[in-house]
Amino acid sequence: GENVEQHPSTLSVQEGDSAVIKCTYSDSASNYFPWYKQELGKRPQLIIDIRSNVGEKKDQRIAVTLNKTAKHFSLHITETQPEDSAVYFCAASINTGGFKTIFGAGTRLFVKA
Amino acid sequence: DVKVTQSSRYLVKRTGEKVFLECVQDMDHENMFWYRQDPGLGLRLIYFSYDVKMKEKGDIPEGYSVSREKKERFSLILESASTNQTSMYLCASSFPASSTDTQYFGPGTRLTVL
Repeated sequence: GENVEQHPSTLSVQEGDSAVIKCTYSDSASNYFPWYKQELGKRPQLIIDIRSNVGEKKDQRIAVTLNKTAKHFSLHITETQPEDSAVYFCAASINTGGFKTIFGAGTRLFVKA
Repeated sequence: DVKVTQSSRYLVKRTGEKVFLECVQDMDHENMFWYRQDPGLGLRLIYFSYDVKMKEKGDIPEGYSVSREKKERFSLILESASTNQTSMYLCASSFPASSTDTQYFGPGTRLTVL
């Protein structure tokens, strides 16, 4: 089955710096890659996603890149702010008539003011 | 605005008890999911359902069962709770699209099995 590895498990950056979180997946049939943000005590929420036919997607300070050949995808946050502090989960989904989504273990991001 | 609710925020049960966790969504979503969240392990898929009375095993179904009698409701059942099932349980739902699958999560149920 699908396996998603996420690194690093913890990331600490200074406010204004960039943060990068990397994920790899094992099943080449995965065709949809969402990223979720979970603030402390709250539920995960989708922040950005990318489909397998796209190499890069950007939404303001957040961007995601996908390398299908290497089975890597990454989340880039620029100009980090304290409110970016949260746990971020990458995921890989396979559409088999419905989506089955496998999540990475999560990255706890600390943005120091 | 999608609303996914779970029956309890906190639950304490004894080993061997039968436990029901309920999830309700109000957006007519076909897909519903149950995950457990443990530190360092992320979100692990227990069971999911694409339609009423339909269910599929996720990665860690052992010790759990599910029920989907109505479209809006997806129940997770622990037939005989054990201490290693102490965890945060998250329900999610999504509307099927051809190429994307935004999942909307409930607030979670923190279950402690003593």
